[in-house]
Amino acid sequence: GNSVTQMEGPVTLSEEAFLTINCTYTATGYPSLFWYVQYPGEGLQLLLKATKADDKGSNKGFEATYRKETTSFHLEKGSVQVSDSAVYFCAQGAQKLVFGQGTRLTINP
Amino acid sequence: EPEVTQTPSHQVTQMGQEVILRCVPISNHLYFYWYRQILGQKVEFLVSFYNNEISEKSEIFDDQFSVERPDGSNFTLKIRSTKLEDSAMYFCASILPYRQGVGYGYTFGSGTRLTVV
Repeated sequence: GNSVTQMEGPVTLSEEAFLTINCTYTATGYPSLFWYVQYPGEGLQLLLKATKADDKGSNKGFEATYRKETTSFHLEKGSVQVSDSAVYFCAQGAQKLVFGQGTRLTINP
Repeated sequence: EPEVTQTPSHQVTQMGQEVILRCVPISNHLYFYWYRQILGQKVEFLVSFYNNEISEKSEIFDDQFSVERPDGSNFTLKIRSTKLEDSAMYFCASILPYRQGVGYGYTFGSGTRLTVV
């Protein structure tokens, strides 16, 4: 069945460091791919999405590229900030979403 | 920007009691969903609802769960006899249908934290 595997956390970085959170998926067909962010005590917010191969989603300095050949959708940011501390979820789907297990990111000043 | 609204934000209930979680999806959306997230774990699909009926449900969504759209605006999740393991954050979501290769990203509500004691 369809699944999403995310990089194990937690991840701790210093401010201004480069961030990569790996995400790979298995799917039948070509699902849309998403990154959601969950700040402490809050709900799920869509961070970015890509709907077909080679699409790049971007938002708030974060980027991810839909790679069909490697079935990946890695999240990157060039210079993280303390306010980026949150749990990040990779997800796939067209209607029903399948989520990864989440990666807790902590940014230290 | 349109929002999905969930109420209450936090509910505490005694084991064995019935609980109803409420959601108001975005008005022109057609598909509605419930997901749950047990503390510290991944978000899991429960059920999808389209055209006034369940279109898909997971193995978690057993006979203790039901959904309905009673009045064309609200979308509710009922748990008939709550168990301790039902304690979780429950998220409602709605979308327009996926068509023409463009995925309409979900809009999630902010969630209801259900605590069963």
